[in-house]
Amino acid sequence: AQRVTQPEKLLSVFKGAPVELKCNYSYSGSPELFWYVQYSRQRLQLLLRHISRESIKGFTADLNKGETSFHLKKPFAQEEDSAMYYCALRSTSGTYKYIFGTGTRLKVLA
Amino acid sequence: EAQVTQNPRYLITVTGKKLTVTCSQNMNHEYMSWYRQDPGLGLRQIYYSMNVEVTDKGDVPEGYKVSRKEKRNFPLILESPSPNQTSLYFCATQQGSYEQYFGPGTRLTVT
Repeated sequence: AQRVTQPEKLLSVFKGAPVELKCNYSYSGSPELFWYVQYSRQRLQLLLRHISRESIKGFTADLNKGETSFHLKKPFAQEEDSAMYYCALRSTSGTYKYIFGTGTRLKVLA
Repeated sequence: EAQVTQNPRYLITVTGKKLTVTCSQNMNHEYMSWYRQDPGLGLRQIYYSMNVEVTDKGDVPEGYKVSRKEKRNFPLILESPSPNQTSLYFCATQQGSYEQYFGPGTRLTVT
């Protein structure tokens, strides 16, 4: 079954500390993986996608097919990073069916 | 300005009273989708549409209907709402394989 697991509901870190938001997936095939972010009182928006291999707002995520993981990392957290983060998987069968994880709330403490 | 709009933004209704939540986009995107967001469950896809007259079920379609008669609109219909459909609903659009653009959300309460 297709599944996305985000084991942490809440992650609190101090400003300047490294951040890692975990995401594991289950999918029979080669999925497309994304991180979406929802800041307070804002719409859900794309943060990054694995095929672009870019860094957005200092965040990176590497797809590890062996461990079926797509963890989101940032070396130095900022207070403005506080938000809800969702890992998402998209089917590559051409139908664009999405599976989202349950989300991790990141709180960056001053 | 590129927009995804949802109406109403807030709705309180009673069990069994049919309702429709509208979603409209001005970006000429082919793909549209509906999600519900519940505490501890994250976002779950209800239905999606690859193009006009093409719709398919997501993970939680029970109790919902959709239609895609024109590209810009993708209404979500609850024929007989029940309290377990109390949730925050999001519409999203996408063009090709690019990112999804989400609407502002509709908070529905069914009593």
